Amino acid sequence: GESVGLHLPTLSVQEGDNSIINCAYSNSASDYFIWYKQESGKGPQFIIDIRSNMDKRQGQRVTVLLNKTVKHLSLQIAATQPGDSAVYFCAENPPSPSTGNQFYFGTGTSLTVIP
Amino acid sequence: DGGITQSPKYLFRKEGQNVTLSCEQNLNHDAMYWYRQDPGQGLRLIYYSQIVNDFQKGDIAEGYSVSREKKESFPLTVTSAQKNPTAFYLCASSKQGFNTEAFFGQGTRLTVV
Repeated sequence: GESVGLHLPTLSVQEGDNSIINCAYSNSASDYFIWYKQESGKGPQFIIDIRSNMDKRQGQRVTVLLNKTVKHLSLQIAATQPGDSAVYFCAENPPSPSTGNQFYFGTGTSLTVIP
Repeated sequence: DGGITQSPKYLFRKEGQNVTLSCEQNLNHDAMYWYRQDPGQGLRLIYYSQIVNDFQKGDIAEGYSVSREKKESFPLTVTSAQKNPTAFYLCASSKQGFNTEAFFGQGTRLTVV
């Protein structure tokens, strides 16, 4: 899963299998979390978000799980497709009236889908 | 279409030169951000602005400068003081307030030659 550091974690899955990407966040006060997908040479795209008053949220083929006790997020992608190959980032958004709306990003996980 | 436009997509700079990266948004967002991304790493915050004519340093502001004279524009200047400017630069914007996602541009890849 994601962590702060120089190495980009990688995950390879067969097409059609489910993927699970993990992320550990650092600030226990963070109350909003986002998953982004970044394809090579492009900007990150929003996938799904979750607020801290929820522990699960589902989108189209994606589910985000939040475990506040251990400060852990996961992104599950159902029936993974070749177009899902990308780097996936989680971002946390702690409330901070003094600094405004800030986002802190993990290192990212590189997902490769094998046809 | 609403979105964030970064230009140019690729930029080459000679050592010792300043260069300015453009970021324009038509989403009517108050907040704008600049991030730097190095290979195999996450996004690091350079500068951010919550409102026109105001901006704050992020984690790696040294060697960079910004301005926010208009709501829709947040240009980033990479100065000669930035020791290692070769990187992928991403601009983002968000609504004011908390718990709203950031929208990203397509990035500018800066290379020092």
